[in-house]
Amino acid sequence: DAGVTQSPTHLIKTRGQQVTLRCSPISGHKSVSWYQQVLGQGPQFIFQYYEKEERGRGNFPDRFSARQFPNYSSELNVNALLLGDSALYLCASSLWGGGLEKLFFGSGTQLSVL
Amino acid sequence: QQQVKQSPQSLIVQKGGISIINCAYENTAFDYFPWYQQFPGKGPALLIAIRPDVSEKKEGRFTISFNKSAKQFSLHIMDSQPGDSATYFCAALTDKLIFGTGTRLQVFP
Repeated sequence: DAGVTQSPTHLIKTRGQQVTLRCSPISGHKSVSWYQQVLGQGPQFIFQYYEKEERGRGNFPDRFSARQFPNYSSELNVNALLLGDSALYLCASSLWGGGLEKLFFGSGTQLSVL
Repeated sequence: QQQVKQSPQSLIVQKGGISIINCAYENTAFDYFPWYQQFPGKGPALLIAIRPDVSEKKEGRFTISFNKSAKQFSLHIMDSQPGDSATYFCAALTDKLIFGTGTRLQVFP
């Protein structure tokens, strides 16, 4: 069975640009969470979506937005990129909105902002 | 109060030795404490987890010890192997998962 898939795997952008990251959850999983992992740090929670509704939001500016589609895939958008947005962006899926005890992570999208 | 403090930052252990990683938290609303293992180029993977009503949980070579009164928990890796070399994150859960800062473990033959 396929795990959580993320695309692209690597991305290079310049300051001020916008980026869209994509995530497909494990088949049957209805919740997607997004995390930002800066080099040398633990993942930080950005968003959780369940059944297309935002279920939780971390301490990130409004430049960060996300959505979930009817097939449960998700997109993370970041506008007006800053150098500090350079990080590994991880998507994780779980069976349902409260199922954060069993999170399955993808391999991430490595974003570099120049 | 939402932080989870993890130590040490890095750990070098010889093959067959015991690796110990410690975490501490403040928020008593945390009700689930997982450990994740991350290899380079991969996302974190759930390794083992514990609830605060249990003082110890063992799965194979991996054991979590939990001290509710001290608000501390630790991961012990017995008979450490070179394949265990990875970054380990403790975490704590309320309505979202809060991760520690990670421990890079290197196990030498």
